[in-house]
Amino acid sequence: GAVVSQHPSWVICKSGTSVKIECRSLDFQATTMFWYRQFPKQSLMLMATSNEGSKATYEQGVEKDKFLINHASLTLSTLTVTSAHPEDSSFYICSARAVGSPLHFGNGTRLTVT
Amino acid sequence: GENVEQHPSTLSVQEGDSAVIKCTYSDSASNYFPWYKQELGKGPQLIIDIRSNVGEKKDQRIAVTLNKTAKHFSLHITETQPEDSAVYFCAARGYQKVTFGIGTKLQVIP
Repeated sequence: GAVVSQHPSWVICKSGTSVKIECRSLDFQATTMFWYRQFPKQSLMLMATSNEGSKATYEQGVEKDKFLINHASLTLSTLTVTSAHPEDSSFYICSARAVGSPLHFGNGTRLTVT
Repeated sequence: GENVEQHPSTLSVQEGDSAVIKCTYSDSASNYFPWYKQELGKGPQLIIDIRSNVGEKKDQRIAVTLNKTAKHFSLHITETQPEDSAVYFCAARGYQKVTFGIGTKLQVIP
């Protein structure tokens, strides 16, 4: 089945630094990738939708200058959390799908900002 | 936009019993309804899905039903096992965006 690899699985960074999270579709070409944030015991909150080769579409309330998304190829999207603060600590999950195919998720990245 | 409601939020069943999770959606344009299982510290995994032109789909111990008229869809797990314990999310997809339910924490008691 379709595999989405997300890296790193966890990261600890200091306040004010930037962190990059990668999301790769390993065995299919992902025309669309999505980035979510999940708080403990809550559902997935969509942050942005990313189509290959174009700018990401951010959901209302998500700062595009803080959460930089790049989808440079059909198999790779990156999320960079810039100038991270403790309130950015969360579980970030990416998902990817090809046209007409189901959505598949990565295993998430636990970000802790100290 | 789409609104997906899911209940119950928590569910405990004895091993071997059945578990049912129900969802409703608001946008009649939604035409695809996946279910995901999320284990602790991991991303959601697709377990079954159903399209709007189908009323029921089954895969071994898991089944999903869809009532388009009432905008209801449900997940049924039979002969539950301890490894079924996880958080289950329903979702509805319209044009592009997938909207998730709040999740149901299922606990299967051995």
